[in-house]
Amino acid sequence: DTEVTQTPKHLVMGMTNKKSLKCEQHMGHRAMYWYKQKAKKPPELMFVYSYEKLSINESVPSRFSPECPNSSLLNLHLHALQPEDSALYLCASSQGWGEREGRDTQYFGPGTRLTVL
Amino acid sequence: ILNVEQSPQSLHVQEGDSTNFTCSFPSSNFYALHWYRWETAKSPEALFVMTLNGDEKKKGRISATLNTKEGYSYLYIKGSQPEDSATYLCALPYNNNDMRFGAGTRLTVKP
Repeated sequence: DTEVTQTPKHLVMGMTNKKSLKCEQHMGHRAMYWYKQKAKKPPELMFVYSYEKLSINESVPSRFSPECPNSSLLNLHLHALQPEDSALYLCASSQGWGEREGRDTQYFGPGTRLTVL
Repeated sequence: ILNVEQSPQSLHVQEGDSTNFTCSFPSSNFYALHWYRWETAKSPEALFVMTLNGDEKKKGRISATLNTKEGYSYLYIKGSQPEDSATYLCALPYNNNDMRFGAGTRLTVKP
């Protein structure tokens, strides 16, 4: 099973709402990632979890709050978002992080298309 | 800052044509290069991981080469089919396994 699943597929929310994005993998991977992708731009890294601990936070605003409840699950909690946060949010996982000098393949989910009104 | 450039931005070919596109990157501090295929409404799919100068990888009709000294990788598709239509992304790690992606080449294969 090389699948990364993400829910929901689409999400529309107002600027005062609180919502969560969910990501799950059952490949035994120890690293999980959140990326943000705007139209016609490359995916940009937001957060990295390695062994369930936050390893990287790429200067992401606090209105995005990641959580890794266990090694298979990754959440992204959203609160007080702005319209410019509308984007595709991708989750990925890899076997390790920083252990094979960048040779670990990242496996991606299909993403959640977020629209902030 | 690791700058990853892909060209062309988009490409339209006829079924049966062979095609290629480029990923360019700084040649210093090279660790690895990843190619992904991303079809609309699907997950990006890993194609190749390339690590050594002169590497050549092949998967069916798709192949890739790597030149780390001059900082580029080519992706080739032989005899393009409509199902090859997708965005092809390259990515390089810049810190542990954190990836910097290129903007992609969007390939459309017309029947």
